[in-house]
Amino acid sequence: SYVLTQPPSVSVAPGKTARITCGGNNIGSKSVHWYQQKPGQAPVLVVYDDSDRPSGIPERFSGSNSGNTATLTISRVEAGDEADYYCQVWDSSSDHYVFGTGTKVTVL
Amino acid sequence: EVQLVESGGGLVQPGGSLRLSCAASGFTFSSYSMNWVRQAPGKGLEWVSYISSSSSTIYYADSVKGRFTISRDNAKNSLYLQMNSLRAEDTAVYYCARDRRYPDGDAFDIWGQGTMVTVSS
Repeated sequence: SYVLTQPPSVSVAPGKTARITCGGNNIGSKSVHWYQQKPGQAPVLVVYDDSDRPSGIPERFSGSNSGNTATLTISRVEAGDEADYYCQVWDSSSDHYVFGTGTKVTVL
Repeated sequence: EVQLVESGGGLVQPGGSLRLSCAASGFTFSSYSMNWVRQAPGKGLEWVSYISSSSSTIYYADSVKGRFTISRDNAKNSLYLQMNSLRAEDTAVYYCARDRRYPDGDAFDIWGQGTMVTVSS
């Protein structure tokens, strides 16, 4: 089955840039989506189709995808960005959705 | 307001059954595929099942195939998950999520607040 690997944690100072990676075999050939989940809340879609943002999501959230790694970038990080982040793809070989292992972003 | 509201969670013994419901409002439910996603305590997200808008296509995660059944009633704007032969490892918050088709792929753009299922004796 297809596996998506994320770093367990990323720490960043306010105002700096956080980069969260999502590794998968030839992930660059897939469409990657990213979700933000704050404690006790449901996930929220922050990036779809590698790099597009749903309405209401700040421009500070951006994404890229190439080769074996997709990346979610959060610019000018704010305290409110502290959350768990998950990548997701559709694996057509198994007809399964797959979530990444998740990354906890801590704002120092 | 676009909304999904889950219900039906609770405490059940191993080997028991439970039926979850998800009530949709604020959008044309019959036009969207839907999913169930779960999250064990302190763990990550795990996709459970998918159903197309007309119920013609259904997929399951390997961990629940043969035990769980997804269904929907478009007339009632409702999604369901029948869970049988429950195991301790099925303990989780269960979310329903709307499947939205974007240009390059499908993503889950609307989520419910979740309902807790605890499997324990």
